[in-house]
Amino acid sequence: DVKVTQSSRYLVKRTGEKVFLECVQDMDHENMFWYRQDPGLGLRLIYFSYDVKMKEKGDIPEGYSVSREKKERFSLILESASTNQTSMYLCASRATDRVYGYTFGSGTRLTVV
Amino acid sequence: AQTVTQSQPEMSVQEAETVTLSCTYDTSESNYYLFWYKQPPSRQMILVIRQEAYKQQNATENRFSVNFQKAAKSFSLKISDSQLGDTAMYFCAFMPQGAQKLVFGQGTRLTINP
Repeated sequence: DVKVTQSSRYLVKRTGEKVFLECVQDMDHENMFWYRQDPGLGLRLIYFSYDVKMKEKGDIPEGYSVSREKKERFSLILESASTNQTSMYLCASRATDRVYGYTFGSGTRLTVV
Repeated sequence: AQTVTQSQPEMSVQEAETVTLSCTYDTSESNYYLFWYKQPPSRQMILVIRQEAYKQQNATENRFSVNFQKAAKSFSLKISDSQLGDTAMYFCAFMPQGAQKLVFGQGTRLTINP
């Protein structure tokens, strides 16, 4: 069974901390995505990567960065966590030639206190 | 920029009833894909149904069907004979042909009552 695995289901961090959210996929997908999910706002794209070391900003990149050193791993970095980054974070991956092949992780619920 | 709007934040129906979730979108693209995703309490996003804009025939997957009105930019989801397991958040999503990223609506929380 193909999988996208997010390293933490729940995470609590302090304001100002550097936070790493990790995502690993085992499907050899070229594309990986980080979305943020908030009530009433749906899912909004933060960053995506279409190849190793390649990235593009999504709709809400401010306050975030990403890293993709290996094809299977895509990390979301909060350089200095703030309370307004308290949210659910979803990772997804997709093969370029498969329109319907989005696979999502189970999400990380991050609370910044 | 493309936008997707789901105007029903919450809906609730009795088991075995039929329910329709609304979705409208705004785009200048002529070729694109539309999706409905389900997110149960486990949080795992599951693709429910998909529609290619170039196809006039509405997609159907068992109890799930869509009403795709391209001119009106409307893409509603109908769930027939609803079951308790249909309780979830439902997201409408859009993707232009050739693009990689999905654009999501705000979501509709659907509750099926016994």
